[in-house]
Amino acid sequence: DAKTTQPPSMDCAEGRAANLPCNHSTISGNEYVYWYRQIHSQGPQYIIHGLKNNETNEMASLIITEDRKSSTLILPHATLRDTAVYYCIVRVTNNDMRFGAGTRLTVKP
Amino acid sequence: DSGVTQTPKHLITATGQRVTLRCSPRSGDLSVYWYQQSLDQGLQFLIQYYNGEERAKGNILERFSAQQFPDLHSELNLSSLELGDSALYFCASNLGAANTGELFFGEGSRLTVL
Repeated sequence: DAKTTQPPSMDCAEGRAANLPCNHSTISGNEYVYWYRQIHSQGPQYIIHGLKNNETNEMASLIITEDRKSSTLILPHATLRDTAVYYCIVRVTNNDMRFGAGTRLTVKP
Repeated sequence: DSGVTQTPKHLITATGQRVTLRCSPRSGDLSVYWYQQSLDQGLQFLIQYYNGEERAKGNILERFSAQQFPDLHSELNLSSLELGDSALYFCASNLGAANTGELFFGEGSRLTVL
């Protein structure tokens, strides 16, 4: 699977949009981009995934560049409960899911 | 609630001992994944099973083994325990073949080796 690069930490003001970047310059054509988050020591939680097109669900939006070498996870109105480690992963569906170090997002009042 | 159940939630044991962690996947899920997360470390993929067969292996030590049973529950066996094996162990499941691969994680088993 391709590797990803994420900033180790980011801050965001409560109520503002949080934009979390991810670089995956060696992504293959059949690899999806997945985002998960882990709040404190809880089990990771699935957020969203996509292949080429931008995706949106009730939690977030995923913007994938046209060349698929990078993506951005957008939390439109961050709350204190969104403070977590966010993981960007690329994988071929049904292959093992390998997590990197992620981005520690801190939402501040 | 993800639907994935892990037991025990907490376990304290001594070095050299052996423990078994259990995972019940979501109803209908065929694939089970095991992960280890040491203090302030990332999630390390250990092993994946699909319908009873090993599908992928990650950074799993030889002292560790796993299996998936016919009823699809899985067990992770950790033997000759060392202090460094203290960690959170997560199990995740998904449908397996022919799906887009979202994983559902349990709440983890916290192992402390003294």
